[in-house]
Amino acid sequence: NAGVMQNPRHLVRRRGQEARLRCSPMKGHSHVYWYRQLPEEGLKFMVYLQKENIIDESGMPKERFSAEFPKEGPSILRIQQVVRGDSAAYFCASSPREGGYEKLFFGSGTQLSVL
Amino acid sequence: GESVGLHLPTLSVQEGDNSIINCAYSNSASDYFIWYKQESGKGPQFIIDIRSNMDKRQGQRVTVLLNKTVKHLSLQIAATQPGDSAVYFCAENPQFPSGYNKLIFGAGTRLAVHP
Repeated sequence: NAGVMQNPRHLVRRRGQEARLRCSPMKGHSHVYWYRQLPEEGLKFMVYLQKENIIDESGMPKERFSAEFPKEGPSILRIQQVVRGDSAAYFCASSPREGGYEKLFFGSGTQLSVL
Repeated sequence: GESVGLHLPTLSVQEGDNSIINCAYSNSASDYFIWYKQESGKGPQFIIDIRSNMDKRQGQRVTVLLNKTVKHLSLQIAATQPGDSAVYFCAENPQFPSGYNKLIFGAGTRLAVHP
């Protein structure tokens, strides 16, 4: 049973370009979370999605950032017109059910570097 | 706002010694806490959790202590091994038991184990 798969592992973009980060949750998991981690800091919640629904996007900047989790295929975190401040590690996590007691399983992350 | 923070940014220990990693939280209403281990280049990995109705919980070589009076959480690792070298995060789930995993992470403590 493969874990949470994220790709690419490393992504380099120039300022103004678009970044698309992909996350395939664990098999059987229909709840996906995205967290961002700046160097030497803890993870910060961005967005929580269920299949075809955004449940909570309160941690995601209103502009330039969007997320989706379609019925088929991986969850996508999209950052338009990237700026240097977007450089960070982006982690996806999944759980089989809703509930604060459900353990999260994290992927290995995508390291985004903006030149 | 609510926050979870750590007292020590780095901790160096000798192999075989016991390690204690501390964490302070600010939201006295929090009911659920989790410790994660993050190795270099990987996502956070669940270690152990504790609910606010408990003072202590033990796992394999790890113990978590919760002091609600002073809002303090600690992770004890017995007989520390080189494989324990990582960054350790405490996290708080203010939405427990209902809701979802909108976790608040601390900044992390780096544990370095020397032979």
